[in-house]
Amino acid sequence: DVKVTQSSRYLVKRTGEKVFLECVQDMDHENMFWYRQDPGLGLRLIYFSYDVKMKEKGDIPEGYSVSREKKERFSLILESASTNQTSMYLCASSLTSDEQYFGPGTRLTVT
Amino acid sequence: DAKTTQPTSMDCAEGRAANLPCNHSTISGNEYVYWYRQIHSQGPQYIIHGLKNNETNEMASLIITEDRKSSTLILPHATLRDTAVYYCIVISTGTASKLTFGTGTRLQVTL
Repeated sequence: DVKVTQSSRYLVKRTGEKVFLECVQDMDHENMFWYRQDPGLGLRLIYFSYDVKMKEKGDIPEGYSVSREKKERFSLILESASTNQTSMYLCASSLTSDEQYFGPGTRLTVT
Repeated sequence: DAKTTQPTSMDCAEGRAANLPCNHSTISGNEYVYWYRQIHSQGPQYIIHGLKNNETNEMASLIITEDRKSSTLILPHATLRDTAVYYCIVISTGTASKLTFGTGTRLQVTL
């Protein structure tokens, strides 16, 4: 079975802190994605990567950056956390098809 | 990507078939129909996808109308663990694609 793991299920950070969210997949997938999910707004793509060291902006990249130094790992970085970044963050991976496999999510609260 | 319309909620008795409809009247020829579900507090889970033929896997069946303007996801013997929000999406495949979930259908399976 494909496994996508995220570093934390729950995280509480203060405004202005730098936050790292880690995602690891074990199926040698080319593509990896970071989404956030908010009530009433559905799933929104922040960034995605289709290869090591490659990244593409999604719909809402402002306030975020990403890093993909190894194929299995895709990190999301909040340079200076703000309260409007309180959300559920979901990582996903896929091969060339669009069958995406999701991690369990990280519920981030910024106070 | 084509827009989809789903009922907000449905109920189903345990052991009965759950039939979840989806309208996608603006679907174009190269777009696939994908179904995902999200159980409370978990990441989304891929269920099934199809282009124009009916599809079946160990989780569900997907029936797509001949004109491809609508489809139905069938869970043949619903269990309490199938209680979730089910999302129908239409996307062009072949390259890494973002997933855009609408509000989906909240399926409640009851005893």
